[in-house]
Amino acid sequence: QVQLVQSGAEVKKPGASVKVSCKASGYSFRNFGITWVRQAPGQGLEWMGWINTYKGNSKSIQKVQGRVTMTADTSTSTAYMELQSLRSDDTAVYYCARDQSGWGSLDHWGQGTLVTVSS
Amino acid sequence: QSGLTQSPSVSGAPGQKITISCIGSSSNIGAGYDVHWYQHLPGTAPKLIITANSNRPSGVPDRFSGSKSGTSASLAIAGLQTEDEADYYCQSYDRNLGGLVVFGGGTKVTVL
Repeated sequence: QVQLVQSGAEVKKPGASVKVSCKASGYSFRNFGITWVRQAPGQGLEWMGWINTYKGNSKSIQKVQGRVTMTADTSTSTAYMELQSLRSDDTAVYYCARDQSGWGSLDHWGQGTLVTVSS
Repeated sequence: QSGLTQSPSVSGAPGQKITISCIGSSSNIGAGYDVHWYQHLPGTAPKLIITANSNRPSGVPDRFSGSKSGTSASLAIAGLQTEDEADYYCQSYDRNLGGLVVFGGGTKVTVL
């Protein structure tokens, strides 16, 4: 069965970086992209970006552009999302999800990773 | 204008039918892009319940149905059950965002 398993919770200070992993299993990793979504406390879902796991190209929202790096390691079927220059408003649960096209539906999700940014 | 607008909350008694709206614009839903719906329970990952406007993934009860017309879309839940109490989000593509995707603000469904 399709599974996406994310790395554990992180606590970071403002200005630091965090790297969240998302290990996929149960399907051909290269055939589907990975979307990253986050939810800040008390807020709704925010689509952050998407990576084509086969070609390696990605796109992201303006709010995190220049601070986010999305990568994919096809040898281990793992996607990564690194967010730099962390701010308090980056505190959120970060989810990875499978998305073939980059604008389609997200049919399988990781369990979520809580990233807390606090001094 | 970009973005999708949802009512913050909807409530209904067990067994009733409720409808959640997702209002878009000519740059997203009105441009013909598909709308997808997710159910999100606290502490869990969101779950896809409607894909491509009106299609239910395997395992989703037929109490859930989706539709799209013009610049808006709707999710209906018939025969409301207590386990349907959750947040619901619509999602679509928006060409005004440079090829990016947007979620609605979410609707909290309360079962009275």
